[in-house]
Amino acid sequence: EAGVAQSPRYKIIEKRQSVAFWCNPISGHATLYWYQQILGQGPKLLIQFQNNGVVDDSQLPKDRFSAERLKGVDSTLKIQPAKLEDSAVYLCASSLEAGVGETQYFGPGTRLLVL
Amino acid sequence: GEDVEQSLFLSVREGDSSVINCTYTDSSSTYLYWYKQEPGAGLQLLTYIFSNMDMKQDQRLTVLLNKKDKHLSLRIADTQTGDSAIYFCASGGGGGKLIFGQGTELSVKP
Repeated sequence: EAGVAQSPRYKIIEKRQSVAFWCNPISGHATLYWYQQILGQGPKLLIQFQNNGVVDDSQLPKDRFSAERLKGVDSTLKIQPAKLEDSAVYLCASSLEAGVGETQYFGPGTRLLVL
Repeated sequence: GEDVEQSLFLSVREGDSSVINCTYTDSSSTYLYWYKQEPGAGLQLLTYIFSNMDMKQDQRLTVLLNKKDKHLSLRIADTQTGDSAIYFCASGGGGGKLIFGQGTELSVKP
């Protein structure tokens, strides 16, 4: 079974530029998560989708971050404009459902460096 | 708010046991997880424990949960150099949301 795919793996941009990340979850997984992992910290949830609807985006900085999952499968996360503090690894995860005890499977992440 | 705390570093000799500790604040946590992250890779689920259990063993891994003290530990028996990684504790409640600790870097010396 293929795992969670993410691209690109690395991205370097200058501040105030825009960037987009792509995630393809495990086939059949209804729930998709985007996490931000700053160096030396644990992942922090940015947004959670159930199919193509948003379940939780309370930690998403909505003035600059946006995410969509239009057909309930792939998802994109966008930052516009980027700030220096956005330098982090952006992890995508998926699970069969959103219930308690559902295992989340993580992709390899996209490493973003904002200069 | 909800919080998960871990010690930052642990160094052991190959063949010894490693014990990584974690404390959490959310008393409604239903599942507690241990994830492993190797350099440049995503998070790999190692094991998890349901909150009404106090111990779970899975090959070289033993998870102990003290729900009263909100303390979780992961013991790795016969630690190998390939176990060197960052280990994250996470608490999970309703809706699937996970709260992660800051990670413990395990260094295994030959």
